[in-house]
Amino acid sequence: DTGVSQDPRHKITKRGQNVTFRCDPISEHNRLYWYRQTLGQGPEFLTYFQNEAQLEKSRLLSDRFSAERPKGSFSTLEIQRTEQGDSAMYLCASSLAGGPEQFFGPGTRLTVL
Amino acid sequence: AQSVTQLDSHVSVSEGTPVLLRCNYSSSYSPSLFWYVQHPNKGLQLLLKYTSAATLVKGINGFEAEFKKSETSFHLTKPSAHMSDAAEYFCVVSGASGTYKYIFGTGTRLKVLA
Repeated sequence: DTGVSQDPRHKITKRGQNVTFRCDPISEHNRLYWYRQTLGQGPEFLTYFQNEAQLEKSRLLSDRFSAERPKGSFSTLEIQRTEQGDSAMYLCASSLAGGPEQFFGPGTRLTVL
Repeated sequence: AQSVTQLDSHVSVSEGTPVLLRCNYSSSYSPSLFWYVQHPNKGLQLLLKYTSAATLVKGINGFEAEFKKSETSFHLTKPSAHMSDAAEYFCVVSGASGTYKYIFGTGTRLKVLA
């Protein structure tokens, strides 16, 4: 399968701990997006990369959140000092630059106790 | 600015009857529009997309949608519902210059009754 993959699929952590998620996009895709989906809501845009450059960040992305894509391939999303309000599904998607269609991974479900 | 409104949070239909899920959009740009389906504990699956070609778009599993610029609508239809269609459906607008980030609606949960 050469789709978008995310790891881990589920993460349970205690409030105040740091967590890191990984996303592996489709190999030839140079754009990578992160979204967050809370229960009963549609996904909301967090940030996106073109190659290794982070080109836009949502105001939803507080200072506790950081995302990287160091070699323009996989990406990581780190949340420091997690809060219960961070509990959500974190979705990653990738696309070709200039093309509107994004391909989504299965998501990482975060539960903060 | 771009936005999308899904007019119904829940829709119930009987198996074999038509499905209509409504979506209105707002966009300062020429938009791309999508419908995605999300089954429980599954990822988002693309049903169909409109990217400024034909206004009537056919997708997978018998779904189709019509882009109506004058009404700023992109409603999703299917002639005959199947039990397996029960899921959450999201209307998405994209096309903000350069970014192509997705703006999702709040979703419509489709229930199919036997």
